[in-house]
Amino acid sequence: GAGVSQSPSNKVTEKGKDVELRCDPISGHTALYWYRQSLGQGLEFLIYFQGNSAPDKSGLPSDRFSAERTGGSVSTLTIQRTQQEDSAVYLCASSARGSSSGANVLTFGAGSRLTVL
Amino acid sequence: DQQVKQNSPSLSVQEGRISILNCDYTNSMFDYFLWYKKYPAEGPTFLISISSIKDKNEDGRFTVFLNKSAKHLSLHIVPSQPGDSAVYFCAARGSTLGRLYFGRGTQLTVWP
Repeated sequence: GAGVSQSPSNKVTEKGKDVELRCDPISGHTALYWYRQSLGQGLEFLIYFQGNSAPDKSGLPSDRFSAERTGGSVSTLTIQRTQQEDSAVYLCASSARGSSSGANVLTFGAGSRLTVL
Repeated sequence: DQQVKQNSPSLSVQEGRISILNCDYTNSMFDYFLWYKKYPAEGPTFLISISSIKDKNEDGRFTVFLNKSAKHLSLHIVPSQPGDSAVYFCAARGSTLGRLYFGRGTQLTVWP
């Protein structure tokens, strides 16, 4: 598609439930990132996929968080046993270059707003 | 630990005047710096970048200045317009990693 597509745009769930957030990156982009923005905070890095390399999971806040990227394209971020502190906007981004030279301009989706009651 | 810091959460400027948004960083290994703009309910959009080997990059009304010795960069918007009202994020790229490190953002309000 023309841009990064994320779904759902809004998700309200009860504490303890599992949620899945989906990201469709720009076609041909080899790098895919997940960030989240909690209320009043900056963009917090979660995970980064680059081609067929092992993902950089260093930003995942706990083992309740996981992500996969199937076929080098669509990615799913899964949060198990959601907690209220997981409430945030989850942003997906993709780029053409990843860690190669250049400014590495990320193109972001509109985000998935997660509210855990 | 916040490697990229934006110490001013908000800035208010009159239309036509200059807006100056500041950003500090701690990691001397960063090799590119970027500014993103974010409107409510939208994802951040790329605005302008600068390589660590430069000290200035200009694109229309937007200019980014980099002071490596002070580990400081700034975004100048001249002249400011009401449509520039948004949250501006400073970001930095590590030379060996693909991820970007973001600051907490500065809410710019340009009033008529």
